Amino acid sequence: AQSVAQPEDQVNVAEGNPLTVKCTYSVSGNPYLFWYVQYPNRGLQFLLKYITGDNLVKGSYGFEAEFNKSQTSFHLKKPSALVSDSALYFCAVRPLTGGGNKLTFGTGTQLKVEL
Amino acid sequence: ETGVTQTPRHLVMGMTNKKSLKCEQHLGHNAMYWYKQSAKKPLELMFVYNFKEQTENNSVPSRFSPECPNSSHLFLHLHTLQPEDSALYLCASSRELASEREQFFGPGTRLTVL
Repeated sequence: AQSVAQPEDQVNVAEGNPLTVKCTYSVSGNPYLFWYVQYPNRGLQFLLKYITGDNLVKGSYGFEAEFNKSQTSFHLKKPSALVSDSALYFCAVRPLTGGGNKLTFGTGTQLKVEL
Repeated sequence: ETGVTQTPRHLVMGMTNKKSLKCEQHLGHNAMYWYKQSAKKPLELMFVYNFKEQTENNSVPSRFSPECPNSSHLFLHLHTLQPEDSALYLCASSRELASEREQFFGPGTRLTVL
């Protein structure tokens, strides 16, 4: 069975500083990996995904994520955080083959960017 | 906006009531999903539809009954719910069921069962 771990419930960062939101996964075979963001009273919005190819994936709003197969990680990063980045971030995984249609999500990490 | 709308946005119901949640997507997608989001828990996939056909029921209690009359509309019929069913119910769609496709989510219906 596939699983996702987001070890931090909350990450606090000062505006202008780099941010990292951690994600590790477990899946049989190769993974498809996703990051979503959820603002208050809104649904989830797609940020970026890793399918194949370059391990560094660039997405919306200046976010990027690095796929590390040996460490089974897919950490989300941004070089310079903005207050408007404050939101709930979800990592998700799906196996490349098998696994049905199930996209497995982590429990989410609340990002708080302060002035 | 993501192109997926949900109504109502908020719903309060008693345990003996019957209500329905509605989802509509304007993206021309063929796959639609219902998720349950509870605090401090991962999103729980409930149902999956592909071209109006249900392809997955993730061991959801029968008091939740989905309906997909066409690829653009998805309903979740609710009856005799329990207080622990209170949660945010999210609808999502994707172009197809392929694993690499991202999903587009609606804003959710915040359900409170008294």
